[in-house]
Amino acid sequence: DGGITQSPKYLFRKEGQNVTLSCEQNLNHDAMYWYRQDPGQGLRLIYYSQIVNDFQKGDIAEGYSVSREKKESFPLTVTSAQKNPTAFYLCASSRQGLYYEQYFGPGTRLTVT
Amino acid sequence: AQTVTQSQPEMSVQEAETVTLSCTYDTSESDYYLFWYKQPPSRQMILVIRQEAYKQQNATENRFSVNFQKAAKSFSLKISDSQLGDAAMYFCAYVVSTNAGKSTFGDGTTLTVKP
Repeated sequence: DGGITQSPKYLFRKEGQNVTLSCEQNLNHDAMYWYRQDPGQGLRLIYYSQIVNDFQKGDIAEGYSVSREKKESFPLTVTSAQKNPTAFYLCASSRQGLYYEQYFGPGTRLTVT
Repeated sequence: AQTVTQSQPEMSVQEAETVTLSCTYDTSESDYYLFWYKQPPSRQMILVIRQEAYKQQNATENRFSVNFQKAAKSFSLKISDSQLGDAAMYFCAYVVSTNAGKSTFGDGTTLTVKP
């Protein structure tokens, strides 16, 4: 079955450590996105990528970094520069040029103490 | 700034009844798409319904339908014959076709379904 996988589901880190969240899709979608969701709030865009080896900052990119070396993969690194990293992170993909509806992964809950 | 406003943080409905969730948006673009997504307690976001802005006819998907008022920039979701499985957080979103597929989301409405 096609879809998006994110791992791990729960992640715990100590303050000051960088951590990388995995996102893989086998939907053959060109575009991929990372969102942050805080309790009771909507989704805020961190980074997005329309093609391999290219990505752009979203609304809250500070303290995060990404790479897009393969079409299927779009890992997100939460760096120690991110002031409030504890949140729920969602990865999504979409097929460009057709409706633009997004397909989401199951998410990763990151807790930094 | 382009925004999406969901004015009802929480709604409740009796099982088998009908409920309408409100959404307004603000864009100066003419070519865009509107969506309602559902996020149940599992937190897996899934698409509920989609509306193309150039279509006048309101979209329907089984028990879910929308009331799209383009001039008023309003996009409400109606859930008929509500079921316990409809309990979730619902997000309204839109995408401008010329904006790299970036979606703008509202803050969501939490729907409770009472048995």
